Amino acid sequence: GESVGLHLPTLSVQEGDNSIINCAYSNSASDYFIWYKQESGKGPQFIIDIRSNMDKRQGQRVTVLLNKTVKHLSLQIAATQPGDSAVYFCAETGTSYGKLTFGQGTILTVHP
Amino acid sequence: DTEVTQTPKHLVMGMTNKKSLKCEQHMGHRAMYWYKQKAKKPPELMFVYSYEKLSINESVPSRFSPECPNSSLLNLHLHALQPEDSALYLCASSQQEIANYGYTFGSGTRLTVV
Repeated sequence: GESVGLHLPTLSVQEGDNSIINCAYSNSASDYFIWYKQESGKGPQFIIDIRSNMDKRQGQRVTVLLNKTVKHLSLQIAATQPGDSAVYFCAETGTSYGKLTFGQGTILTVHP
Repeated sequence: DTEVTQTPKHLVMGMTNKKSLKCEQHMGHRAMYWYKQKAKKPPELMFVYSYEKLSINESVPSRFSPECPNSSLLNLHLHALQPEDSALYLCASSQQEIANYGYTFGSGTRLTVV
């Protein structure tokens, strides 16, 4: 059956607030990072990516920050909306290997 | 076409059954992947195909058998599964196996083994 007992980090915000979701990665060889959004019953949906030669990248309402020194990645969502409610995963891979590895994920809940 | 299409969306199978999951993409991507995702956990890599050849097998049990008939199709053949194999199976593709390209995921097949 399904595994139980693993509690994903959760973030609960009000509609209109800014949200920050954090991720720590472990592989120093990783040089390409992606944030995915996964809604219930669906596959991961690409949000934004960043390469290791950058420390910040902006998209529409989203910003990704990369701190290679401490191996930390964050996703900032501006003016969060109820439709942003989902599980958010960071993922890492490297130009020297072809394996995309996901972080544990964060559940974002946006209250109207 | 910018999608990865997986069929079926749901599958219930007995432990003695043989079934197959199918994945299709028409983006010209040359790398395709199978991931397994249990509830409340991140996707875990199972297999990587690059230019229709198996590149990575993450020590997956032999009851899961991947196949890549051509550059657009990826199958996962299932035989003698266990209830603990019940999960969401995700297919993904990317332009190349080696990174720096976005990965596109399908919506998955929800598999229940009874």
